[in-house]
Amino acid sequence: KAGVTQTPRYLIKTRGQQVTLSCSPISGHRSVSWYQQTPGQGLQFLFEYFSETQRNKGNFPGRFSGRQFSNSRSEMNVSTLELGDSALYLCASSPDRGRFGYTFGSGTRLTVV
Amino acid sequence: QQQVKQSPQSLIVQKGGISIINCAYENTAFDYFPWYQQFPGKGPALLIAIRPDVSEKKEGRFTISFNKSAKQFSLHIMDSQPGDSATYFCAASIGSQGNLIFGKGTKLSVKP
Repeated sequence: KAGVTQTPRYLIKTRGQQVTLSCSPISGHRSVSWYQQTPGQGLQFLFEYFSETQRNKGNFPGRFSGRQFSNSRSEMNVSTLELGDSALYLCASSPDRGRFGYTFGSGTRLTVV
Repeated sequence: QQQVKQSPQSLIVQKGGISIINCAYENTAFDYFPWYQQFPGKGPALLIAIRPDVSEKKEGRFTISFNKSAKQFSLHIMDSQPGDSATYFCAASIGSQGNLIFGKGTKLSVKP
């Protein structure tokens, strides 16, 4: 059974640009969550999607957005990139909003220069 | 209210020893407490999880102890091995909200 797939694995962007990250959940998983991981702040929740609807949102500015498609695949977008957005972005999927645990992907390492 | 506090920040244990990592929470609405293991360059992997109606759960060398009245839970790694060297995160969530609140992590080094 394939795990959570995130693309791309690495990304370098310039300050002010925008970026789109992709996540394919485990087959049959309907809930997808996104997290930002940095050395200073640790793992912080960005948002959760279930059945194509955003169900929960963390404390991040509006530059961070996401969406989920009918096949449960999800994308997150960061506009007007700042140096502080450099982080590992992790996607996690669950069969049903975390009731059976979340499985994480290996993440996308975003570097903003 | 939403914080999960994890200690210690780093831990060095000899091979064969017991590794103990502690977490404390404040929000009594939390009803799911997982532990994740993360190796460099990888995403966190679910290790073991517990719900508040159980005081202890064991899976192989890994045990979660849960103290509901103290709002604390801990991970015990028995017979620690060099391959266990990784960063461990505790987390908590409210089942209906679909998000995990993570501790800051503990970097475990198991010396041969």
